[in-house]
Amino acid sequence: AQSVTQLDSHVSVSEGTPVLLRCNYSSSYSPSLFWYVQHPNKGLQLLLKYTSAATLVKGINGFEAEFKKSETSFHLTKPSAHMSDAAEYFCVVSDQGFNKFYFGSGTKLNVKP
Amino acid sequence: NAGVMQNPRHLVRRRGQEARLRCSPMKGHSHVYWYRQLPEEGLKFMVYLQKENIIDESGMPKERFSAEFPKEGPSILRIQQVVRGDSAAYFCASHKDRDDTEAFFGQGTRLTVV
Repeated sequence: AQSVTQLDSHVSVSEGTPVLLRCNYSSSYSPSLFWYVQHPNKGLQLLLKYTSAATLVKGINGFEAEFKKSETSFHLTKPSAHMSDAAEYFCVVSDQGFNKFYFGSGTKLNVKP
Repeated sequence: NAGVMQNPRHLVRRRGQEARLRCSPMKGHSHVYWYRQLPEEGLKFMVYLQKENIIDESGMPKERFSAEFPKEGPSILRIQQVVRGDSAAYFCASHKDRDDTEAFFGQGTRLTVV
């Protein structure tokens, strides 16, 4: 069975400091993993995806994530936070064959000036 | 390409009424997924449809909820006799085909039951 655990429901950082949003997954096969961002009252935007190619995945807006099979983790990082990064972030694992997505419960990122 | 279009964006219904949510996938996409996001929660899978077929409805409540994706026109998620607990954001996602892992999401329909 597939599942995702986002370890922090809220993360607060200062503008210009690094961002780390943690995600652990459970999957019975080699998973496809994604990070999506949701701004208030908006839809979901894909930040990046891992589909069994390079383990370090670069996404949009300076975000990247590293797939670590031994740790079953897919943490999202960014070297320097910007005010516009304040949003909710979802880690997602995909069901093999049907593309059914399993979402984590989300991490709300707050960026302080 | 206008992306995945959902309408209405906001829908208010009284208890006992019916709610119809529409989703037009991206051009060329024939696979549609519906997800529900309850307040302060992540999205939960409801149903996966291809044109004229329901492939997986394991996330759909057994009663009052139904979905279709006709040969022509948008996919429809229908909720009969709505209750307060149905208040949520409903998102639609489309994929080009079964092997395409990238999902494109609509902006969602926010249903409020009063």
